[in-house]
Amino acid sequence: TQLLEQSPQFLSIQEGENLTVYCNSSSVFSSLQWYRQEPGEGPVLLVTVVTGGEVKKLKRLTFQFGDARKDSSLHITAAQPGDTGLYLCAGARGTSYGKLTFGQGTILTVHP
Amino acid sequence: KAGVTQTPRYLIKTRGQQVTLSCSPISGHRSVSWYQQTPGQGLQFLFEYFSETQRNKGNFPGRFSGRQFSNSRSEMNVSTLELGDSALYLCASSFRDSLQETQYFGPGTRLLVL
Repeated sequence: TQLLEQSPQFLSIQEGENLTVYCNSSSVFSSLQWYRQEPGEGPVLLVTVVTGGEVKKLKRLTFQFGDARKDSSLHITAAQPGDTGLYLCAGARGTSYGKLTFGQGTILTVHP
Repeated sequence: KAGVTQTPRYLIKTRGQQVTLSCSPISGHRSVSWYQQTPGQGLQFLFEYFSETQRNKGNFPGRFSGRQFSNSRSEMNVSTLELGDSALYLCASSFRDSLQETQYFGPGTRLLVL
């Protein structure tokens, strides 16, 4: 059972376009993290959201945590080839110390 | 601060052998988690250690085990390797505060079982 459903799985766009990646669950998470991973490397943390309704911006990236803390989205404005990679959402639940539940990931390719 | 380090980065083993992977967390982090990443299953949680105690365990067979030392360094061991154990094994460390469970990942160990 995949507790975190991430969509779309693949995204191929042109430089300059906007995009949104979604991460949905029927479960409540105490926090949700977004990572970006390059081939052969470990995931690199982009942001952690904790409060329902929270919005965080990181340059051209905007992250939102749903009011009920069951879903999140990542929006990229004016995508660049350097944004290419695997984007992963991961949720932490209550007392499940050290255990993150990951979505399946979104492979983003930005063409110049 | 230095990041999470994992050794070795690459490993080739044959079926039936055993393997030990090592992880050094970020200085000051006391929690170390291990994950297995495969194309088909994505990232799956193996186990987590805190202060030398296993606090949480995923749904993997007993062939997968781990431990943590007093300096927070951790090792995981896989015995009787199977072809399906080929994967990227990731270690993550965290410094848990009251609100967040932010984990920082190492580069991973790529294990190939032949």
